[in-house]
Amino acid sequence: SQTIHQWPATLVQPVGSPLSLECTVEGTSNPNLYWYRQAAGRGLQLLFYSVGIGQISSEVPQNLSASRPQDRQFILSSKKLLLSDSGFYLCAWSAARGSGSNQPQHFGDGTRLSIL
Amino acid sequence: SQQGEEDPQALSIQEGENATMNCSYKTSINNLQWYRQNSGRGLVHLILIRSNEREKHSGRLRVTLDTSKKSSSLLITASRAADTASYFCATALTGGGNKLTFGTGTQLKVEL
Repeated sequence: SQTIHQWPATLVQPVGSPLSLECTVEGTSNPNLYWYRQAAGRGLQLLFYSVGIGQISSEVPQNLSASRPQDRQFILSSKKLLLSDSGFYLCAWSAARGSGSNQPQHFGDGTRLSIL
Repeated sequence: SQQGEEDPQALSIQEGENATMNCSYKTSINNLQWYRQNSGRGLVHLILIRSNEREKHSGRLRVTLDTSKKSSSLLITASRAADTASYFCATALTGGGNKLTFGTGTQLKVEL
């Protein structure tokens, strides 16, 4: 069966420090991968998605970047964190069976990021 | 603005009662999905309904889709305390690949 791992679960970082959050998927090949951010009491905002190694699409301009160095690895990074980067970050995957192919997304347990 | 808007924002019911949540959206979709989120956790996929479907069932869940009104509803029958969570609708837009746009969610509390 497929599983998704996301770490760390919580992270407290000072303003101006770098960030690296990692997400890995097991049990599937060539998944679509997604990074979302969720503000407290709100819905999810899509930050990045990827349909393959090295292929990253950014949905909103921001202080963050994403990379996909391996098929089932998705990394969210920042060189210098801002206070506004605080939030709950979620990674997700879906099967890539054609474009717009009605696939559910499967989420990790998220990382709670607090910027001090 | 959000593609999906859930209504109500919060709902409190007694165990055994039915819970109905509504979702409205603005543009043409390939499918609409419902997810559940327990506090501080990731989202769990509940059900997907395609744009050419009108109703779908899964266990105690019933989802309807009215593309003419651009709206969907999620019905949870015979609710349990364990159903307490936030529920989100998400739409896959026509021509948008498998990207989803999430609504703001309904917080459901089921009391004993």
